[in-house]
Amino acid sequence: DTGVSQDPRHKITKRGQNVTFRCDPISEHNRLYWYRQTLGQGPEFLTYFQNEAQLEKSRLLSDRFSAERPKGSFSTLEIQRTEQGDSAMYLCASRTTGTRGYGYTFGSGTRLTVV
Amino acid sequence: TQLLEQSPQFLSIQEGENLTVYCNSSSVFSSLQWYRQEPGEGPVLLVTVVTGGEVKKLKRLTFQFGDARKDSSLHITAAQPGDTGLYLCAFHRDDKIIFGKGTRLHILP
Repeated sequence: DTGVSQDPRHKITKRGQNVTFRCDPISEHNRLYWYRQTLGQGPEFLTYFQNEAQLEKSRLLSDRFSAERPKGSFSTLEIQRTEQGDSAMYLCASRTTGTRGYGYTFGSGTRLTVV
Repeated sequence: TQLLEQSPQFLSIQEGENLTVYCNSSSVFSSLQWYRQEPGEGPVLLVTVVTGGEVKKLKRLTFQFGDARKDSSLHITAAQPGDTGLYLCAFHRDDKIIFGKGTRLHILP
């Protein structure tokens, strides 16, 4: 297992287009998280899953954002009708519940640029 | 409201110098974590401090948790260009990690 994988690494899209990102977590991890990071900020929580259930969504996650984890393995994050303000690094992390020190492993992120 | 205040925001120093960065809050935490994030990569966990007054060392990096468990510091001795990156402090609450804004550190060769 090579850690958390995110695809694509970079995405440039025109305003108004839809984009979808994929995250493949560490296989034995039941928790999967999405974060967004803009320039000069730390990562901000968007949503998380335990297995296939989406347990929490941040107020940052507007109606244009949707995340799924259909089989409790990989996850997708879709942004509809992208806006320039959506430009950011989208990070995925995974962990196992009960891990001492919380054991979050982050992927390398998908950098989205909306032009 | 930013629960974790990190200072300084930016720091650029010469290789070989020592430095300290800070993570402060008015809240009490059961633990705090420090991450390093390199450009184009995700954060990587460096350490978790749990006990008030605790000091942990990771080679040239020394982490301290405040006695009241409201703050933490990271001291780097003899900084090297490989230490360049964004240093984030974070806490775990309600099943998720909450990050500060980070200190962006640049070590000049």
